Amino acid sequence: GAVVSQHPSWVICKSGTSVKIECRSLDFQATTMFWYRQFPKQSLMLMATSNEGSKATYEQGVEKDKFLINHASLTLSTLTVTSAHPEDSSFYICSARDPGLAGGSSTDTQYFGPGTRLTVL
Amino acid sequence: GEDVEQSLFLSVREGDSSVINCTYTDSSSTYLYWYKQEPGAGLQLLTYIFSNMDMKQDQRLTVLLNKKDKHLSLRIADTQTGDSAIYFCAEGFGNEKLTFGTGTRLTIIP
Repeated sequence: GAVVSQHPSWVICKSGTSVKIECRSLDFQATTMFWYRQFPKQSLMLMATSNEGSKATYEQGVEKDKFLINHASLTLSTLTVTSAHPEDSSFYICSARDPGLAGGSSTDTQYFGPGTRLTVL
Repeated sequence: GEDVEQSLFLSVREGDSSVINCTYTDSSSTYLYWYKQEPGAGLQLLTYIFSNMDMKQDQRLTVLLNKKDKHLSLRIADTQTGDSAIYFCAEGFGNEKLTFGTGTRLTIIP
């Protein structure tokens, strides 16, 4: 199946700094990538939809100026948490949409990265 | 809006079958998915079912869909210790946006 990677897998930063998380589709081109956030023992909440070459679409309640998303190529999307604070500490997971061709699947599917654990001190 | 619900915990003896249930509200969903999440890891797609199907079987996994009742289930036959994880169901329309359930933590009893 299709592979999606994330980097870094974990990061610890000081309050007020910015952190960039990368999401890559390794063996297929993804015109659409999604960014999710997962708090401990909770489900995934969609933060934004990232489309290659255009602005991201943010879900209600997600601050677009705080969570900057860039999808500059068909295989890379980045999420930058700006001026991070302890309440931003979470598990951030990206997914890449495989429309059902290059990834070898027979249907439109999202493939998930391994996640990035962010801890803000 | 869409709402997907699951029971939070399930304990099963090794070798028995596990049945994880999910209910959803959006009748326009075209695909329903089951994902597995192991501790500290991302989500692994286990299987999916198209909304016009009633059942799908894939090795030890059987998915049943009751569209009338908006009920989805995942049956894992011969449950093993490696099946311990959190299982999420999710619904989507053309995979544009997935709505996830709360997740069911499956614990295997030796």
